[in-house]
Amino acid sequence: ILNVEQSPQSLHVQEGDSTNFTCSFPSSNFYALHWYRWETAKSPEALFVMTLNGDEKKKGRISATLNTKEGYSYLYIKGSQPEDSATYLCAFPPGAGSYQLTFGKGTKLSVIP
Amino acid sequence: DGGITQSPKYLFRKEGQNVTLSCEQNLNHDAMYWYRQDPGQGLRLIYYSQIVNDFQKGDIAEGYSVSREKKESFPLTVTSAQKNPTAFYLCASSISGLAGVYEQYFGPGTRLTVT
Repeated sequence: ILNVEQSPQSLHVQEGDSTNFTCSFPSSNFYALHWYRWETAKSPEALFVMTLNGDEKKKGRISATLNTKEGYSYLYIKGSQPEDSATYLCAFPPGAGSYQLTFGKGTKLSVIP
Repeated sequence: DGGITQSPKYLFRKEGQNVTLSCEQNLNHDAMYWYRQDPGQGLRLIYYSQIVNDFQKGDIAEGYSVSREKKESFPLTVTSAQKNPTAFYLCASSISGLAGVYEQYFGPGTRLTVT
């Protein structure tokens, strides 16, 4: 099983602060990188699927970048709001012939009003 | 509304009993997945299916079984052979494709407690 590492494990920020966290993955045989947001008592929801080195994606105040050569992706949240409180998961397929995803343990974000 | 439903939300069973968790989707997705979540762990894949009447073991399939008789349905049976069945179980679906390039859509989950 290939490792997907996410850091930090958790963080607390004040409302209005911007924040970012990291997903690290094996840089060899890269195919795709997924980000999901999982709010308490809800289902995980896809934020981004990234496939190209240098890719940058944005959805509202949330954006993500991808560096496949060094094996990391950053998720940024600008001006955090309480509704951004959630666990953010990254995942990637472990091989070219794979249909499945390997998930990291997530970063739990708490935004303090 | 299109989506994935899982039932029940909470399930309690006695040790030694088999139990079946339901997962239904109306997204017309070919691929469906079952994951398990334990405290401090990432989502771990139990089984997945890319098409009706076909399914594959994931990373932790021991003690579980599935069927895929209909496109919309992918029930998971937790058998008495599963040594630590108490967990939160998530079902997901997606467009079928290699290398996981399609986002997955998740159900609300079932929390199973076995005593």
